[in-house]
Amino acid sequence: QSVLTQPPSASGTPGQRVTISCSGSSSNIGSNYVNWYQQLPGTAPKLLIYRNNQRPSGVPDRFSGSKSGTSASLAISGLRSEDEADYYCAAWDDSLSGRAFGGGTKLTVL
Amino acid sequence: EVQLMESGGGLVEPGGSLRLSCAASGFTFSNAWINWVRQAPGKGLEWVGRIKSKTDGGTTDYATPVKGRFTISRDDLRSTLYLQMNSLQTEDTAVYYCTAVVRDIDYWGQGTLVTVSS
Repeated sequence: QSVLTQPPSASGTPGQRVTISCSGSSSNIGSNYVNWYQQLPGTAPKLLIYRNNQRPSGVPDRFSGSKSGTSASLAISGLRSEDEADYYCAAWDDSLSGRAFGGGTKLTVL
Repeated sequence: EVQLMESGGGLVEPGGSLRLSCAASGFTFSNAWINWVRQAPGKGLEWVGRIKSKTDGGTTDYATPVKGRFTISRDDLRSTLYLQMNSLQTEDTAVYYCTAVVRDIDYWGQGTLVTVSS
């Protein structure tokens, strides 16, 4: 059971906007930054969003992050087939004194 | 360009030990906080532990499942991170990634596979 809760799956058609949620608590999302990672099949995870809503250089602006209270969201607009991947949220947890990951969301582009 | 390269993975029997290495380049290694994250086959990401930079105390934190069995250390002169894993259990089977946090952005290596099996 992951400390951060994500839906196991999400889907959309090309061009659509999809949102992936990440629910936590006051000890993690509520008091620390949230990162989002994309893991394409057979590859290492890659940072997509850091500090709740910042994009590293090279990440398209189709990807955006937000946070409110103890929840965070990743939005992908203009969905493309190459966006088909697993997506993970993560945040430091003050109670655990450790990093918490969501269980991951498998995004399918129909 | 930031690069991280893990090595040292392999097959080990339950109860055995293994030491993983992570060679870093492309950034000031001594200033970075480094994490180990693992991923069991077909499963999600699990944080293993981290080590802070020496200027921030050089202290370590570990996830509960590995506390007392795993030790993270760093050699700033060699820009290398280590993960000493003792008393390995079958549930430690996973791909192990090192990740370096450089100015809030974390970079990942390609991972090394550890298989614990008799």
